[in-house]
Amino acid sequence: GAVVSQHPSWVICKSGTSVKIECRSLDFQATTMFWYRQFPKQSLMLMATSNEGSKATYEQGVEKDKFLINHASLTLSTLTVTSAHPEDSSFYICSAPLGGSGSYEQYFGPGTRLTVT
Amino acid sequence: AQSVTQLDSQVPVFEEAPVELRCNYSSSVSVYLFWYVQYPNQGLQLLLKYLSGSTLVKGINGFEAEFNKSQTSFHLRKPSVHISDTAEYFCAVSETGGGNKLTFGTGTQLKVEL
Repeated sequence: GAVVSQHPSWVICKSGTSVKIECRSLDFQATTMFWYRQFPKQSLMLMATSNEGSKATYEQGVEKDKFLINHASLTLSTLTVTSAHPEDSSFYICSAPLGGSGSYEQYFGPGTRLTVT
Repeated sequence: AQSVTQLDSQVPVFEEAPVELRCNYSSSVSVYLFWYVQYPNQGLQLLLKYLSGSTLVKGINGFEAEFNKSQTSFHLRKPSVHISDTAEYFCAVSETGGGNKLTFGTGTQLKVEL
């Protein structure tokens, strides 16, 4: 089946620094990718839709300047948490639909656990 | 906008017993429905989906779910669980014709015991 990878799987950073998380579709092209945030024991909350060749679409309440998204190619989207603070500590998961933006067959990455100290 | 409710945050069950994980949704438009499973420190894996057709949907690992439009439900069932089914299960919906953004429920932790 389709595979989506994320790197790193976990990262610890100091408050005030920036962290970049990569999401790659390994065996298919993805013009659209999604970024989610998951707090402990809670559900996934959609943060933004990453679009190859255009700006990301952010969900209401998500700070665009804090969570920078770049869809650099058809297989890579990056999420940069800028000036991270302890409240940004969370599990970040990306997903990509197989078969284009209209496909409902989504594949999820394994997630990246961010801890900000 | 749509929402998903998973009333049971935790469901303990003995191995080889049947299990049902409940999911109810709310939406002003037609939706597609999904169940995902998440093992510890891993991403989500699709168990099954309802897009159209038969309301009884069979998925992987012996799971099935039934779409009930009148009750706006999509409960997940398995007739006999195994220890390896211990995981977090998420119900999700997506608007038909509205792209493929998913709205997730809060999840149900299934714990299978010997």
